[in-house]
Amino acid sequence: EAQVTQNPRYLITVTGKKLTVTCSQNMNHEYMSWYRQDPGLGLRQIYYSMNVEVTDKGDVPEGYKVSRKEKRNFPLILESPSPNQTSLYFCASSLLSVDEQYFGPGTRLTVT
Amino acid sequence: KQEVTQIPAALSVPEGENLVLNCSFTDSAIYNLQWFRQDPGKGLTSLLLIQSSQREQTSGRLNASLDKSSGRSTLYIAASQPGDSATYLCAVRRGHQAGTALIFGKGTTLSVSS
Repeated sequence: EAQVTQNPRYLITVTGKKLTVTCSQNMNHEYMSWYRQDPGLGLRQIYYSMNVEVTDKGDVPEGYKVSRKEKRNFPLILESPSPNQTSLYFCASSLLSVDEQYFGPGTRLTVT
Repeated sequence: KQEVTQIPAALSVPEGENLVLNCSFTDSAIYNLQWFRQDPGKGLTSLLLIQSSQREQTSGRLNASLDKSSGRSTLYIAASQPGDSATYLCAVRRGHQAGTALIFGKGTTLSVSS
């Protein structure tokens, strides 16, 4: 089944403890991106990747890192999480950046 | 700056009604527009993608139209069912430049009662 998977789905952590949210797609898509969804603010792009080893900042990149060592995987790294990063995170992929976007199931992160 | 607005924020209808969800955007220079469905606790499911050169797209009971010059799109749902209850999001892509993000509206939460 063609899909985007994320792990973990739920995570509660403490301020400053490094964490990684994984994202994987099995559709051979070139383009991948991360969004966060917050009440009243909607979905906003954090980072994106046009292809392997090519990443760039989205609209709200502060406090996040990403890597794209393989085409299928695009992990989101929070080196020192803070409470304002409590949010619902979505990974998305598409064949090319302008094509139909496919979203993962989301990761709900709480930072205390 | 592109802004996307969806009105109404919430809508309740009885089963069987035809309904229209509205999406407006401030900058008509879009590359495409995509409608999504989001169920509680779940991810976004793509419903329809309309390219800027198209006027409408259809999938089953769903029909999405696009009027780029006026900055509007509508999602028409025919013969609504309780299973259609969800939040519907529209998103526009600002341009065809590499990496341009989708700009999302805040959604319309639809409730269809049986």
